[in-house]
Amino acid sequence: AQTVTQSQPEMSVQEAETVTLSCTYDTSESDYYLFWYKQPPSRQMILVIRQEAYKQQNATENRFSVNFQKAAKSFSLKISDSQLGDAAMYFCAYRSFTGNQFYFGTGTSLTVIP
Amino acid sequence: GAGVSQSPRYKVAKRGQDVALRCDPISGHVSLFWYQQALGQGPEFLTYFQNEAQLDKSGLPSDRFFAERPEGSVSTLKIQRTQQEDSAVYLCASTRGTGDYGYTFGSGTRLTVV
Repeated sequence: AQTVTQSQPEMSVQEAETVTLSCTYDTSESDYYLFWYKQPPSRQMILVIRQEAYKQQNATENRFSVNFQKAAKSFSLKISDSQLGDAAMYFCAYRSFTGNQFYFGTGTSLTVIP
Repeated sequence: GAGVSQSPRYKVAKRGQDVALRCDPISGHVSLFWYQQALGQGPEFLTYFQNEAQLDKSGLPSDRFFAERPEGSVSTLKIQRTQQEDSAVYLCASTRGTGDYGYTFGSGTRLTVV
């Protein structure tokens, strides 16, 4: 079974600064998807960014970007120009190319300091 | 509807009581998923429907858990004889098709068993 590890239970960042959240995963598959989801207190999981494993180029969505290292099985999320609204739980997730279910990490709680 | 709707938002059950949790996916979404999120953990897969067919129920923790989607739209997750370890947030997600489509999560039902 695939496992996803987030080793930082909590992180904090000053408003307007940059923060990086770490994620590693274990799989024997060559094709898969990786995701970062944000979960605010409302509990709804909101997609932040997605990466296809077959793409070498790192995904970017506005202030959010990833550093995808396939050989190292590492998938970190960088948040630039942090805003108060970025404060939430962030979950890294894996999905097989042919499967349907997500495998989530245990999450990182991000605090943004004004 | 515009999003995935789950009800109730909160449920308190006495140990041994049966509960039913409802998920109303986005209209026309073929695939529907249930996840269980224990406190301080990431969501864990419970079951998956494609239309009315339950294609994967490998994540259901015991035979006390039962899910259905009889008409391929609304789904109900039923837990019989609830136990304290069932306390968690139950998240529902839907997606337009199979494969790589955007998943939309609901805000979940927080179940507390006392």
